[in-house]
Amino acid sequence: NAGVTQTPKFRVLKTGQSMTLLCAQDMNHEYMYWYRQDPGMGLRLIHYSVGEGTTAKGEVPDGYNVSRLKKQNFLLGLESAAPSQTSVYFCASSQTDPSGEAYNEQFFGPGTRLTVL
Amino acid sequence: KNQVEQSPQSLIILEGKNCTLQCNYTVSPFSNLRWYKQDTGRGPVSLTIMTFSENTKSNGRYTATLDADTKQSSLHITASQLSDSASYICVVSPLGGYNKLIFGAGTRLAVHP
Repeated sequence: NAGVTQTPKFRVLKTGQSMTLLCAQDMNHEYMYWYRQDPGMGLRLIHYSVGEGTTAKGEVPDGYNVSRLKKQNFLLGLESAAPSQTSVYFCASSQTDPSGEAYNEQFFGPGTRLTVL
Repeated sequence: KNQVEQSPQSLIILEGKNCTLQCNYTVSPFSNLRWYKQDTGRGPVSLTIMTFSENTKSNGRYTATLDADTKQSSLHITASQLSDSASYICVVSPLGGYNKLIFGAGTRLAVHP
């Protein structure tokens, strides 16, 4: 099993350009998440999905859109990139609610380092 | 406001020594607390998960403790190895909030030979 994979690993954009980050998981997990990690801060949730065809906003959703057309894939789109979106983006997946009594851990991908000039 | 604070921000120890990392949180009500290890350039990997009723959880040379009364957790690393060099992240999960995990900023540990 590859677990959670992310493409690309690195990307440099100019302000105003758009791009899509792809996350794929082969663990048949229902829940998928997109986070961003900035220096000196904890990971912050951008968007998440509780199943195929569903998406919801997290803590910092502005400037991003997501889609979950297939259970194994979760796409993060930047409509018009801004320097403030320079960050490392992590995708994660989990089988069920990771904060419930029957909790399950979140599995993270290796990250995408994005620089917006 | 729900917060997770970790200390120290960074730590350098010699190989073979022990160390303890601290996590204080204000999250309430609280479901569980996790410790993750994040190697440079990689995603976080789970080390331990503890519910509010658990006091300690071990994973090899890693031992996490939890005091739900004082809202404090610690991660103790025994007989450190060079491969322990990484960031260690404390994550608290509010009750009923799978989409509201609160991540600490992490402690960056460097183990020197």
